[in-house]
Amino acid sequence: DTGVSQDPRHKITKRGQNVTFRCDPISEHNRLYWYRQTLGQGPEFLTYFQNEAQLEKSRLLSDRFSAERPKGSFSTLEIQRTEQGDSAMYLCASSLTDRGRETQYFGPGTRLLVL
Amino acid sequence: DAKTTQPTSMDCAEGRAANLPCNHSTISGNEYVYWYRQIHSQGPQYIIHGLKNNETNEMASLIITEDRKSSTLILPHATLRDTAVYYCIAGAGGTSYGKLTFGQGTILTVHP
Repeated sequence: DTGVSQDPRHKITKRGQNVTFRCDPISEHNRLYWYRQTLGQGPEFLTYFQNEAQLEKSRLLSDRFSAERPKGSFSTLEIQRTEQGDSAMYLCASSLTDRGRETQYFGPGTRLLVL
Repeated sequence: DAKTTQPTSMDCAEGRAANLPCNHSTISGNEYVYWYRQIHSQGPQYIIHGLKNNETNEMASLIITEDRKSSTLILPHATLRDTAVYYCIAGAGGTSYGKLTFGQGTILTVHP
């Protein structure tokens, strides 16, 4: 257990429905990342927060995706009008920089299946 | 981020050292080498990272060549629980944000 938690762990939804995932980072970590992982592939970067500011979004993050990190604590990732291609594991990671070194710690992921 | 190249798969006998190589010939001077592993259906687990000096922690050792173009992750006494996909990542760290670019990784199978 890294201290990063994600909820729910599994989600099955029908195409067209909206889903929201939550990530609770390690409490003192100021950076929070979202990644997506499809079967047989490594995780791919989606977006990144420094405290409450969303500083970068990948081209993978279509307009149907939105992420927030109010008050710089937990974060939510919402997918609107889900498509079958959104089926994947959604991973959250948090980190703290220390004298120029940064280590990201990942949560267990939320596995999404869109029917 | 610099591209990394790893073997697709490796085998190791339980109790022996597992040496996982990684090439990162285009790594830039401020990019760290990170190693993560992922056991089936779990989130990636941080193992170790380094800039230019060799590093050791309770999980593994990281040997980085002097020219920084390659590195080796060493698991000194592999166990069955070390069976996983191992990712070598060359990425930015420190003052710039540390987005990790994962490749396909090496599937390490530890057998009895």
